[in-house]
Amino acid sequence: KQEVTQIPAALSVPEGENLVLNCSFTDSAIYNLQWFRQDPGKGLTSLLLIQSSQREQTSGRLNASLDKSSGRSTLYIAASQPGDSATYLCALGSGNTGKLIFGQGTTLQVKP
Amino acid sequence: NAGVTQTPKFRILKIGQSMTLQCTQDMNHNYMYWYRQDPGMGLKLIYYSVGAGITDKGEVPNGYNVSRSTTEDFPLRLELAAPSQTSVYFCASSYEGQHYGYTFGSGTRLTVV
Repeated sequence: KQEVTQIPAALSVPEGENLVLNCSFTDSAIYNLQWFRQDPGKGLTSLLLIQSSQREQTSGRLNASLDKSSGRSTLYIAASQPGDSATYLCALGSGNTGKLIFGQGTTLQVKP
Repeated sequence: NAGVTQTPKFRILKIGQSMTLQCTQDMNHNYMYWYRQDPGMGLKLIYYSVGAGITDKGEVPNGYNVSRSTTEDFPLRLELAAPSQTSVYFCASSYEGQHYGYTFGSGTRLTVV
C-alpha cells in the first residue's frame, strides 16, 4: 500500500530565507505527483504537477523535483515571504482515474 | 467561472441524522471526487466518479453514498451520522483524470454531536 510522508509537520522561517519541503513515498510506481497549498479554512490550490516521466517543474519562486528511485519529492521555495504561510501537501496520483494519495502536510510560517 | 461549489459550508448534525453534501462544478470535468480531512491529517478519498452514472469507492467509503446523474453534480449522502464522521469534506474535479486542472471546493465543515 502506498504511503506518503511529509517531514517536518511544521516549519517556521524568517522572511527571505530559501527553504525545502520534503515528501517521501513507499512505492515508486506512481502516475504523477502534485503539490498543493491550503490556506486556513480554505480549499486546496494546485501549485505544481510533475508527471512520472519528468524530474522537475518550476513556477515563479517554486520548484518541485521528483526522484522516483529514491521515493522522494522536494518543494523548493525561494526568497520566502509572509504570504507563503500556509499548509503544503504533496499528493501522488496512482493511476489514470485521478485518485490522489495525500501526505499529512507541512505547515509553514514565514515571519516578517 | 465559479469552479467547484460546495454547500453548506458548515453543519452540525446529531447522531443518527442524515444529510446530503452538495457539490457542483461548471468546468465540464468528467472526473469528480469526495475527500475528507481530519485535523492534522492529509485528505482521504471517500468516493469518486469518472462520468455521469459511474461511481466507485475510495479508501474510506463506509457510512457514505454518492450518485452522479449529471456531469455537473456529485452529491455525498451521509446516512445515520456518527461522531467519527466529524471532519472537513472537500469535493474536487479534474480533467479526464489526468490531474490537470485539479480543482477543489472550499469545503464543508461537519460536526456530529
